[in-house]
Amino acid sequence: GAGVSQSPSNKVTEKGKDVELRCDPISGHTALYWYRQSLGQGLEFLIYFQGNSAPDKSGLPSDRFSAERTGGSVSTLTIQRTQQEDSAVYLCASTLQPGLNEKLFFGSGTQLSVL
Amino acid sequence: GDSVTQMEGPVTLSEEACLTINCTYTATGYPSLFWYVQYPGEGLQLLLKATKADDKGSNKGFEATYRKETTSFHLEKGSVQVSDSAVYFCAQTSNDYKLSFGAGTTVTVRA
Repeated sequence: GAGVSQSPSNKVTEKGKDVELRCDPISGHTALYWYRQSLGQGLEFLIYFQGNSAPDKSGLPSDRFSAERTGGSVSTLTIQRTQQEDSAVYLCASTLQPGLNEKLFFGSGTQLSVL
Repeated sequence: GDSVTQMEGPVTLSEEACLTINCTYTATGYPSLFWYVQYPGEGLQLLLKATKADDKGSNKGFEATYRKETTSFHLEKGSVQVSDSAVYFCAQTSNDYKLSFGAGTTVTVRA
């Protein structure tokens, strides 16, 4: 597709369940980011992938969060044993080059609601 | 750590009014500065950027000037339209690849 695609667009789950969020970056983009947008707060950096380099996981809030990027393309963010405070919009972004004079292209996000 | 503080919203104004959204950054060194915009139902997209002091970014009638002396990057538009209704995010680079974002300012323009 022409842009960054995220699925599902909405996810409602029960506390304690595991969820998987998917991101398809723009073809050819080597850098991929996950951010979290909570109500009334800014975008919180979660994780960064660049090519075959080790990812920067410094933003993951707990060990219940993990992410993979297979084949340098699709990425999956997994949240285990979800808690109500995990409710947020999870945004994925990609860019062609890692240098930040290049703009990030964002998907529309996955709205996660934990009941 | 590096952080961005932007004016809290929501902001409601009439068409053709002037808009200013304040943004200040705290960082060591010389970060690049950005404004991203999120229109209803769409993903965030880059509005404008500035990479060094005194640079002015501009796009779609919006402007922002990188002011190192006041550590600011305020967004301005002289005459807003209904189509400018969106959430605006100020951001700065924290390292070679990471962006730190402000909390966002919701702007509603009424006809």
